Amino acid sequence: AQSVAQPEDQVNVAEGNPLTVKCTYSVSGNPYLFWYVQYPNRGLQFLLKYITGDNLVKGSYGFEAEFNKSQTSFHLKKPSALVSDSALYFCAVRGTTNTGNQFYFGTGTSLTVIP
Amino acid sequence: KAGVTQTPRYLIKTRGQQVTLSCSPISGHRSVSWYQQTPGQGLQFLFEYFSETQRNKGNFPGRFSGRQFSNSRSEMNVSTLELGDSALYLCASSLEQGMGGNTIYFGEGSWLTVV
Repeated sequence: AQSVAQPEDQVNVAEGNPLTVKCTYSVSGNPYLFWYVQYPNRGLQFLLKYITGDNLVKGSYGFEAEFNKSQTSFHLKKPSALVSDSALYFCAVRGTTNTGNQFYFGTGTSLTVIP
Repeated sequence: KAGVTQTPRYLIKTRGQQVTLSCSPISGHRSVSWYQQTPGQGLQFLFEYFSETQRNKGNFPGRFSGRQFSNSRSEMNVSTLELGDSALYLCASSLEQGMGGNTIYFGEGSWLTVV
């Protein structure tokens, strides 16, 4: 069975500091991992994904994520946080055993960037 | 290119009524999936349609149904509404179905309140 865990409900970081939002996964076979961001009263916006290849994936708005197979993790990172990065972040996984586009989402991490 | 369009954005229904939500995918996308988002349960997969056929179904009662038209537009219907159906209903589209690295792109969602 596929699943994703986001161990932190809330992350606070000062503006200009690096940020990390954590995600661990469980999947049969090779994982396809995604990060989405949700601003208040909006849908989810795609940030980046890992399919294969380089373990460091670069995405939108300066975000990047590091895939670590041995630790089954896919943490989202940004070198310098902006106040506008404050939002709800979701990690998602889609395993290769799935015949469709059923994504399994984590419970979300609320990021607050403090000015 | 226009994004995923969902209508209506907000609606209030009375318990026992039924509701139909509409989703127009990104032009050229043939797969449409639906998710329910609530504070308590997070994001839960409802179903996915591809080529007018339901390909995947989540663990929801039969009151939740959907369909897809030949132009890839999709509708979901909830009958005999319950208070617990109050949620943000998100539609997502992708180019193809059944490919691991496919990205799904979300609409802004339809906020349903059942009173």
